[in-house]
Amino acid sequence: GAGVSQTPSNKVTEKGKYVELRCDPISGHTALYWYRQSLGQGPEFLIYFQGTGAADDSGLPNDRFFAVRPEGSVSTLKIQRTERGDSAVYLCASSSGQGGETDTQYFGPGTRLTVL
Amino acid sequence: GNSVTQMEGPVTLSEEAFLTINCTYTATGYPSLFWYVQYPGEGLQLLLKATKADDKGSNKGFEATYRKETTSFHLEKGSVQVSDSAVYFCALSPNAGNMLTFGGGTRLMVKP
Repeated sequence: GAGVSQTPSNKVTEKGKYVELRCDPISGHTALYWYRQSLGQGPEFLIYFQGTGAADDSGLPNDRFFAVRPEGSVSTLKIQRTERGDSAVYLCASSSGQGGETDTQYFGPGTRLTVL
Repeated sequence: GNSVTQMEGPVTLSEEAFLTINCTYTATGYPSLFWYVQYPGEGLQLLLKATKADDKGSNKGFEATYRKETTSFHLEKGSVQVSDSAVYFCALSPNAGNMLTFGGGTRLMVKP
């Protein structure tokens, strides 16, 4: 079946603008994660959804970042008043959400955000 | 908090050489441990995992053993190929279904 998809693949914006990044998880996966990967570094956790609710948003860096998942499937990461330091690859992952040894996270290809 | 430390790259090897990429972790309890790989131009892919102490994860000739006594999960391969050139990330999660904490990544370059 289809994997995790993310749109757009690339986004260039100007400092101060608002952006939305979309994630389509694997069908049937209830758990959805957002990570941010800066150049030359490992991904850093932002937020985790179980169903429609944000089960853990402790990784969001500040209140300019917000994410929603209104119907428990597609998720949108929203960044207000973008700053140059927000430039990174934003990764989405999904898993079955059932826990245990088989609950593997599958990653999308990412959205590369560049803030000029 | 949880953290993962892995050896800095790049690691440059000739084809058929033996590979070790070191990974150590800090975590409370009994985390699950993972190696993810990112090939050029592609997304992160799970390479292997181990969910309890002394478990060995293996895939595509790669192996890693969960060593609780040394808090390590070193990645090994007996004979690397040019196609193994990629960035390798060690990661942990406190439970198999929770968020991942990643190391900084190690770039492997294999020359023919």
